[in-house]
Amino acid sequence: GQQVMQIPQYQHVQEGEDFTTYCNSSTTLSNIQWYKQRPGGHPVFLIQLVKSGEVKKQKRLTFQFGEAKKNSSLHITATQTTDVGTYFCAGMEYGNKLVFGAGTILRVKS
Amino acid sequence: EAQVTQNPRYLITVTGKKLTVTCSQNMNHEYMSWYRQDPGLGLRQIYYSMNVEVTDKGDVPEGYKVSRKEKRNFPLILESPSPNQTSLYFCASATPQGFTGELFFGEGSRLTVL
Repeated sequence: GQQVMQIPQYQHVQEGEDFTTYCNSSTTLSNIQWYKQRPGGHPVFLIQLVKSGEVKKQKRLTFQFGEAKKNSSLHITATQTTDVGTYFCAGMEYGNKLVFGAGTILRVKS
Repeated sequence: EAQVTQNPRYLITVTGKKLTVTCSQNMNHEYMSWYRQDPGLGLRQIYYSMNVEVTDKGDVPEGYKVSRKEKRNFPLILESPSPNQTSLYFCASATPQGFTGELFFGEGSRLTVL
């Protein structure tokens, strides 16, 4: 079945440094979604990418969807303490099955 | 306020004692799903429902049951809980995923089975 691999599992950065998490799918995706889960909280939808090669920005966050629609990345510029949490990608297969990556835990030192 | 409500939020129980975790959404969403979250494993889907009376297995359905008698409710039933079902459970809902895909999650239910 479909698998979505996400790396790194954990990253600890100094405030102001950049951060990137990567997702790779074993199959071609119809779209990919990104979620953020604050410590002790629930996942909250950030964005959905649909088109091959798509790039979207939300303030300091940049999301990319690969040309082959099998990989994606989330990049945070100049991290802040409010960025801490776990970031999940979720790949949707054709046929509407959504598979989550294992998540990347981000810790930010101030 | 649009929300997904789960109860209980925290539960400690013993092996074999049947329990139900309720989930209710007020957004008139057709799609509902249950996930369990375990360290290093992300969110794994247990069961999902595309609409009333339509349910299907996710990736880890063993030991769980669900029902969808009404659009707003999607309870998760553990007939005979075992310690390996100790986990953090999330209910989520969405309009049909082929349309928007965004999942709205409940606040989670932390279950401990002794």
